[in-house]
Formats: sequence, C-alpha cells, structure tokens
Amino acid sequence: KAGVTQTPRYLIKTRGQQVTLSCSPISGHRSVSWYQQTPGQGLQFLFEYFSETQRNKGNFPGRFSGRQFSNSRSEMNVSTLELGDSALYLCASSLSRGSGNIQYFGAGTRLSVL
Amino acid sequence: GQQLNQSPQSMFIQEGEDVSMNCTSSSIFNTWLWYKQDPGEGPVLLIALYKAGELTSNGRLTAQFGITRKDSFLNISASIPSDVGIYFCAGGGSNYKLTFGKGTLLTVNP
Repeated sequence: KAGVTQTPRYLIKTRGQQVTLSCSPISGHRSVSWYQQTPGQGLQFLFEYFSETQRNKGNFPGRFSGRQFSNSRSEMNVSTLELGDSALYLCASSLSRGSGNIQYFGAGTRLSVL
Repeated sequence: GQQLNQSPQSMFIQEGEDVSMNCTSSSIFNTWLWYKQDPGEGPVLLIALYKAGELTSNGRLTAQFGITRKDSFLNISASIPSDVGIYFCAGGGSNYKLTFGKGTLLTVNP
C-alpha cells in the first residue's frame, strides 16, 4: 500500500508569489491534515479536511487555504508569500476523524521563500 | 489552546545507553502518539497509546500513557546509532486535532 505522497518535494519562490502544494493520502484514508514545521515552532497545525470539508483550522492567516477533492486528495495554497513562510509543510492522512485515528505523514514539501 | 511540554529538548548519549523522554500537558488527551523524524523525512509513528495507564512496547521502545491522561513517556533501551533523530510526542484530544510537542533531538555517539 502506497504511503502519503506529497508533491513537489522542494520549492523555491519569491516574496509575493503564491504556491500550491499537493497531498495524496493513503488509499482509503478520508481525513487529511496539514502542518507547518519550522525549527523554532515545531509542528503547527494548519487545517484538517474530511469529506471535502474543512473540519478544523489552526491559527494561521487567511493567506493559507486548502481544499480536498472527492478522491480525498488535498491541496494547500499560500498566497502573497512572506519570508516567514519558509518551512517544511507536512501532510498527514488518517482513516477517519477522531483522536483514535492515527495520522500517517508524507515526506513533506520544503518551501523556501526568497 | 492545548500545549505540550516535551523534555528534554536534546540529548547526547553513548551507544548502548538507555534514553528517556516525556511530555506533559495541562489538558487531558484521549490518545498519545510517539513519532520519530529523520532528516528530510516526515514523522514516522513509533507507538500509539489509547488508554490511561497503558504501557506498550515496540522492540527496544516502551511508552506509557499517564494515569492522569496529561502525560506520557518514551524509553529507548540500548540505543544504537540509527536511533538518531527527532522524537515527537502528540496528544489527540476531543477536538480531533493532534497537538505536538516541540521534539527531542537525540544524538547517539558510536
């Protein structure tokens, strides 16, 4: 069974640009969560999608948005990039919602904003 | 919001030594998870705990879900060089979100 796939693995953008990251969950998994990881802040929760609806949202500005498609694949978008958006963006999928559902992570997308 | 305090922040040990790290919270959790992250990769699940007081082992790793549901620890016995990495605890609450600790960086000297 394939794991969580994130594309691209690396991205370099400049300030003011926008970026779209993609996540394909494990087959059969319906919940997808996104996290931002930086050395100083650790893993910060961005949002969670289930059945194409955003179910939870972290404390990030509106420049961060996402969506989920009917096949459970998810994308996140960051508009008007800032230097501080440089981070590893991780996607995690789980079978369903609930604290008992284990999240499995992809390898991440490393975003560098110049 | 919920916060996890994970300690220590980093550890530098000799191969063969045992390691212990823990997470505490002011909030209760329904699930405790321990992940390991290697450089350039995403976190990989090591152990999942679902019940207060539960003690679970996975090879040389042992983790416990605290009785109060506000803490958990992870022990690694007889460390080896491939144990190097960042270890994260994560608590799963009633809001369906995982809250992560800031990680423990483990370095093992051969």
